[in-house]
Amino acid sequence: GEDVEQSLFLSVREGDSSVINCTYTDSSSTYLYWYKQEPGAGLQLLTYIFSNMDMKQDQRLTVLLNKKDKHLSLRIADTQTGDSAIYFCAENPGQAGTALIFGKGTTLSVSS
Amino acid sequence: DTAVSQTPKYLVTQMGNDKSIKCEQNLGHDTMYWYKQDSKKFLKIMFSYNNKELIINETVPNRFSPKSPDKAHLNLHINSLELGDSAVYFCASSQELAGAHTDTQYFGPGTRLTVL
Repeated sequence: GEDVEQSLFLSVREGDSSVINCTYTDSSSTYLYWYKQEPGAGLQLLTYIFSNMDMKQDQRLTVLLNKKDKHLSLRIADTQTGDSAIYFCAENPGQAGTALIFGKGTTLSVSS
Repeated sequence: DTAVSQTPKYLVTQMGNDKSIKCEQNLGHDTMYWYKQDSKKFLKIMFSYNNKELIINETVPNRFSPKSPDKAHLNLHINSLELGDSAVYFCASSQELAGAHTDTQYFGPGTRLTVL
C-alpha cells in the first residue's frame, strides 16, 4: 500500500545544514512535496519536485530525489532558529484532485 | 487577502453537540479538501470535492458531512461530537497544473477542535 516514512526528530545547531529524509512507496507518484508546519500554524508549501527531476534548488532549500530508491531529501543550508518546525514529506500518487499521502513529519529543532 | 481561510480557528464544545467548520478559498481552484491531523500530527484525507461534487470520501463516520455550496466553499458539519473527534482540521484547495495532470495543494490555517 501507499506509505511515506520519515525520521521523527532532527536537532542541529544554527548555521549548520539540515537534511531531512523521506522514503515513499508509490512509484507512480508524479510529484513529491515538502510542507512546513510551525507550532500552532497551518501547513506551508515549501517546495515540490517532479518525478523526472533529480534535484531542485530554491534559495537555501535543496531537494534531492532518488527515484530508483524512492528516496527524497530536503536540505536546508545555514539553518536558522526560525526554521524550527515540523517538516512533512508528501506524495501525490494520482491525477489532479487525488489526496496527498503524508509522512508523519520530522520535527526540526535548531539551537543557537 | 488570505488564500485559504477557515473559521473558526478554535472550537471548544461538549460531547454530543453539532458543530460546523467553514472553509473558503479565493484562488479560483476547482478542488477542495478536508484533512484531519491527530494528536500525533498525522495528517489524513477525509473528503475532497471538485466543482461542488464529492470525489473522495474516506472511511469517515457518517456523523461528518461535507457541504460545498459553490466551488469556493467547502464546509464540514459534524453531528454528535465525540471525544475522539478532537483534532486539527485542515482545509486545502488545488488546481490542476496545465498539462501536468497533477496539482499543488494549498492549506488553510487549521481549526483546532476540542471536544470535552
